[in-house]
Amino acid sequence: GQNIDQPTEMTATEGAIVQINCTYQTSGFNGLFWYQQHAGEAPTFLSYNVLDGLEEKGRFSSFLSRSKGYSYLLLKELQMKDSASYLCAVRDGDMGRRALTFGSGTRLQVQP
Amino acid sequence: NAGVMQNPRHLVRRRGQEARLRCSPMKGHSHVYWYRQLPEEGLKFMVYLQKENIIDESGMPKERFSAEFPKEGPSILRIQQVVRGDSAAYFCASSLQGQYNSPLHFGNGTRLTVT
Repeated sequence: GQNIDQPTEMTATEGAIVQINCTYQTSGFNGLFWYQQHAGEAPTFLSYNVLDGLEEKGRFSSFLSRSKGYSYLLLKELQMKDSASYLCAVRDGDMGRRALTFGSGTRLQVQP
Repeated sequence: NAGVMQNPRHLVRRRGQEARLRCSPMKGHSHVYWYRQLPEEGLKFMVYLQKENIIDESGMPKERFSAEFPKEGPSILRIQQVVRGDSAAYFCASSLQGQYNSPLHFGNGTRLTVT
């Protein structure tokens, strides 16, 4: 089975940096994904990590430690439009499964 | 726009009726996934399909729910004899080739309300 944990809610200030953590326990591992979802909209893909280390993509970076079962999403220079839910998802190692298992999401509120 | 297309966007059904949700994957994508999302909750996996094959239906209730992805046409998620607890947003996603690093691309969802 799989277990994915992330904080339920976070609040941060416009212009600041925020780190959203995700821990996971899986029977296998074939990558960790981060998605952004605005209320009432489709989740949109942000990043993919399969090797340890940091992947940077503009204002967003994602980090992975496979030995610790840990990832974080780092958002820099926060903007009001970054207020959304951020979903951590894992693809496990079973050959027949290409689906992603999602955490419950972290609702980020960016304040002026 | 070659994104994942879902319809209808909103669907209202009375208890006991049938709900049919449609999903056309992105152009070139042959893998389709259905997820369900309750308000303030995460996405729960239901079923994973390739053309004419159900690969993994471990997240789909055994009763009343079925899914298909025919050779021609969209994928269909069908819910028979709907109950109030079926009210949720149903998201479809597609991916390219099923590679490990292929992200899922989501449609805008169908919001089902059972009255």
